[in-house]
Amino acid sequence: EAAVTQSPRNKVAVTGGKVTLSCNQTNNHNNMYWYRQDTGHGLRLIHYSYGAGSTEKGDIPDGYKASRPSQENFSLILELATPSQTSVYFCASGDRPGTGGGDERLFFGHGTKLSVL
Amino acid sequence: AQKVTQTQTSISVVEKTTVTMDCVYETRDSSYFLFWYKQTASGEIVFLIRQDSYKKENATVGHYSLNFQKPKSSIGLIITATQIEDSAVYFCAMRGANSGTYQRFGTGTKLQVVP
Repeated sequence: EAAVTQSPRNKVAVTGGKVTLSCNQTNNHNNMYWYRQDTGHGLRLIHYSYGAGSTEKGDIPDGYKASRPSQENFSLILELATPSQTSVYFCASGDRPGTGGGDERLFFGHGTKLSVL
Repeated sequence: AQKVTQTQTSISVVEKTTVTMDCVYETRDSSYFLFWYKQTASGEIVFLIRQDSYKKENATVGHYSLNFQKPKSSIGLIITATQIEDSAVYFCAMRGANSGTYQRFGTGTKLQVVP
């Protein structure tokens, strides 16, 4: 079973501070994703990656950067954290989706609860 | 644009009964993939079941099945013989085969199964 590990599990940050959320996956998946979960919005994609060295913008990328230094690791960076970024962040990994619809189920980490004060 | 809508915010059912959770989607792609995920109280999110748009048969996995109504752009999740441990938030997601490079999620439906 694919394993996706996020750290930290909880984080309290100050407004204007820099926050880095880390994600590690051990299933050798090409794709990795960062979603945030907010009441009334479900899961919304922030950034994703096709592989080491690549990052792509999702639906709500403003205020966030991402870094994929290796196949296993994918980080989400908040350079200047704001209270509106208080949320639960989920990292996920999966095989690269294709037009034929292979096994593209996502495997999620346990989430990081971020509070920006 | 692709969009997934779950209008049921929460549902409560009695144990051992059947429940259906609704999901409608919008896409311009002629081929697309639909998914359901479950988020438990601990926050863990797991994949449950999937339906490919070109398949006419409704997908079934264990006591989960789908009601795929393509003309209505609808993909309902049916849970038969519900158990207390089915209490969770259920998310519907979609990816268009041509224009979608990632799965977009709905807002979720919270299911409570009571004795």
